[in-house]
Amino acid sequence: DTGVSQDPRHKITKRGQNVTFRCDPISEHNRLYWYRQTLGQGPEFLTYFQNEAQLEKSRLLSDRFSAERPKGSFSTLEIQRTEQGDSAMYLCASSSFKGLAGVKNIQYFGAGTRLSVL
Amino acid sequence: DAKTTQPPSMDCAEGRAANLPCNHSTISGNEYVYWYRQIHSQGPQYIIHGLKNNETNEMASLIITEDRKSSTLILPHATLRDTAVYYCIVNNAGNMLTFGGGTRLMVKP
Repeated sequence: DTGVSQDPRHKITKRGQNVTFRCDPISEHNRLYWYRQTLGQGPEFLTYFQNEAQLEKSRLLSDRFSAERPKGSFSTLEIQRTEQGDSAMYLCASSSFKGLAGVKNIQYFGAGTRLSVL
Repeated sequence: DAKTTQPPSMDCAEGRAANLPCNHSTISGNEYVYWYRQIHSQGPQYIIHGLKNNETNEMASLIITEDRKSSTLILPHATLRDTAVYYCIVNNAGNMLTFGGGTRLMVKP
């Protein structure tokens, strides 16, 4: 059983460039989440998908950010015109959501993609 | 989602039990308590969760007070590999997890 896989693990880019990260969730997990974590802080929610549908977006997700999950399997997170403030760890998680509020919906996280914007 | 309060840091001697407290005084009746930990430069790792009853798995035990306003995560025999930031989270909607600052546990030889 493979866990959540993220690629690349590290990305260094220059300010103004576009970057794209990929997340492969645990097989058969219908929910996929993106979080961002800056140094010394806990992860902050960005957005999540249930199958192909993007159900919620945080106000942290500016217009320069876009996430997709076209076939309900892997997801991509793109950042356009990167800024130094985008430097962070981008974490992906997946879960198997059964539809009942409060019922076990454990999110399993990948190792993250560390982005450095120079 | 309700907020949680945790001490910013704790030390524990190797081989001893580590008891990590969490206050969640505004928890709602259908909200679960989840614990995750994050070892340096890795993604958060799920540990355990519970609603009302105490829970135990191969990693830890979770003790939830009767009024559900606080809980304690117990690592029965802490090892150096348990050094990490531990996050207590309450959640019911099955969507986003709201992480606080967590407790930085340092296990010392």
